[in-house]
Amino acid sequence: AQSVSQHNHHVILSEAASLELGCNYSYGGTVNLFWYVQYPGQHLQLLLKYFSGDPLVKGIKGFEAEFIKSKFSFNLRKPSVQWSDTAEYFCAVTVTGGGNKLTFGTGTQLKVEL
Amino acid sequence: DGGITQSPKYLFRKEGQNVTLSCEQNLNHDAMYWYRQDPGQGLRLIYYSQIVNDFQKGDIAEGYSVSREKKESFPLTVTSAQKNPTAFYLCASSIASRAEAFFGQGTRLTVV
Repeated sequence: AQSVSQHNHHVILSEAASLELGCNYSYGGTVNLFWYVQYPGQHLQLLLKYFSGDPLVKGIKGFEAEFIKSKFSFNLRKPSVQWSDTAEYFCAVTVTGGGNKLTFGTGTQLKVEL
Repeated sequence: DGGITQSPKYLFRKEGQNVTLSCEQNLNHDAMYWYRQDPGQGLRLIYYSQIVNDFQKGDIAEGYSVSREKKESFPLTVTSAQKNPTAFYLCASSIASRAEAFFGQGTRLTVV
């Protein structure tokens, strides 16, 4: 069964700092990868996704992620964070042929300070 | 508006009582899911359904039951057998295979 690890549970940054959140998955086959965000009091929404092709994917609000197959990683990045990026971020994976079962990591709580 | 509706937003129940959480979607999605969210544990899959009249256990199905009699609806029952039912429950749906999931606003269940 697939699993997802997010190494940073809590991250605190100042505005304009760069962000990188780690995500590793364990599965040897073909995967589909996602980053979701949950802003305070709001529902979970998709930031970006990777199915195939260019391993560098761009999402909403200036976020991007890079799929590195050899490292089983899909780290989320943003060059300059804003106070409004304060939220909880979840990495998730589905396995091709696995019935679209979406498995999440434990989440990273990001706080951006002014 | 198209989307996923979970009701109610807050729910209180006495210990030992079964309770059913509602999830309705008008996105015409085939697949539907129930997750439980606890602080520091992320989202854990309870049950999922790929098509009507079929569903599979997720990672933490014990103490829960579901039904999928209609494409639009996927209610979750939290039974008295669930040892720690107080949690935030999220319903989601997706077009089957290789697609993003859309989430509802969630139901916060408190058992006292």
